[in-house]
Amino acid sequence: DADVTQTPRNRITKTGKRIMLECSQTKGHDRMYWYRQDPGLGLRLIYYSFDVKDINKGEISDGYSVSRQAQAKFSLSLESAIPNQTALYFCATSDAGQGVGNEQFFGPGTRLTVL
Amino acid sequence: GQSLEQPSEVTAVEGAIVQINCTYQTSGFYGLSWYQQHDGGAPTFLSYNALDGLEETGRFSSFLSRSDSYGYLLLQELQMKDSASYFCAVGDQGGKLIFGQGTELSVKP
Repeated sequence: DADVTQTPRNRITKTGKRIMLECSQTKGHDRMYWYRQDPGLGLRLIYYSFDVKDINKGEISDGYSVSRQAQAKFSLSLESAIPNQTALYFCATSDAGQGVGNEQFFGPGTRLTVL
Repeated sequence: GQSLEQPSEVTAVEGAIVQINCTYQTSGFYGLSWYQQHDGGAPTFLSYNALDGLEETGRFSSFLSRSDSYGYLLLQELQMKDSASYFCAVGDQGGKLIFGQGTELSVKP
């Protein structure tokens, strides 16, 4: 079984709809992250959480919210989706001890299309 | 703030050696990492440099010069399966990673 899973893997929705992307991990890591990837723009950090009671905004948090339901679960919500939120979304985890250079382990991604 | 620069595309032939450069500007530096991503799949960790010098892992090596704010990833004996995007990333004092925009490597037969 994969260590970091994301659901759904693909989603098509309409402008104005509320969408939730879910991430679960079995690695026992405290730190979890949400990124979006657009062509030619690399990975940009949306939100991150260093433990269940810690939530922080990243580089591009506007239009998004998150919930850390448990150590193993970190959800990303788009309250009212808009077309420029069409992107590939990745969840990642890392060990609080920072392992090797804060190595991050990524989920398979969710491809979101907002029409 | 933080910013990283790497070439957008690199092309090389099978069996050759290729170097992907990364320069960075950061307010705090906690190491340079490299990640590989195939065709929009999950990025995977390749290497990490905290100190100046060369780190070797099989066919891949990574170099860091902190005084020059510069690093590179060296791929030797290129194989077709090495065709992918490669991202450099710097760690910041908050324990996060800041990623570059990625270099798409195409390996030709």
